[in-house]
Amino acid sequence: DTEVTQTPKHLVMGMTNKKSLKCEQHMGHRAMYWYKQKAKKPPELMFVYSYEKLSINESVPSRFSPECPNSSLLNLHLHALQPEDSALYLCASSKTSLAETQYFGPGTRLLVL
Amino acid sequence: KNEVEQSPQNLTAQEGEFITINCSYSVGISALHWLQQHPGGGIVSLFMLSSGKKKHGRLIATINIQEKHSSLHITASHPRDSAVYICAVRTSYGKLTFGQGTILTVHP
Repeated sequence: DTEVTQTPKHLVMGMTNKKSLKCEQHMGHRAMYWYKQKAKKPPELMFVYSYEKLSINESVPSRFSPECPNSSLLNLHLHALQPEDSALYLCASSKTSLAETQYFGPGTRLLVL
Repeated sequence: KNEVEQSPQNLTAQEGEFITINCSYSVGISALHWLQQHPGGGIVSLFMLSSGKKKHGRLIATINIQEKHSSLHITASHPRDSAVYICAVRTSYGKLTFGQGTILTVHP
């Protein structure tokens, strides 16, 4: 199994809503990543988890809250988002947090109204 | 100036042509990734390089650490190769930085 899955595929939420994005992999990878990608722009790294611990936070606003409940799951909790947060949110994983091949999920397309 | 620069930004080719996409970077790196993103968002990691050359099917990636330059080559291009190709470097202190991407369109 070399797949990273993400749910939901699409999400529309209001600025007062609380929602969560989920990411799952069963490759035994110990590094997991959240990226944000705006239209026609390259992905921007948001968070890196290494062995279930947050190792990199790329100065992301606190309305985005990551969580890694176990080595297979990575969540991104969303609260009080702004319309400019609308984007494609990509999850990825790799064997460790070092320079290794990353496997990407299909993404969750988020629209904030 | 961006830390990672790709060229060209847009590339159009006829089926069967040999394609080269270039990536130059200005920081010290521990690895360089080539990624492929098809319309709709899915990203596929093609290669991870720290030196030399790698080949997978019709794709070849090379890196020259001294010149801080990498190339992605596609031989016998096909319309299904149409996608955005992204170069990303992992700096020596762990940060991952992406190039702006190259939009490739291969016509039948």
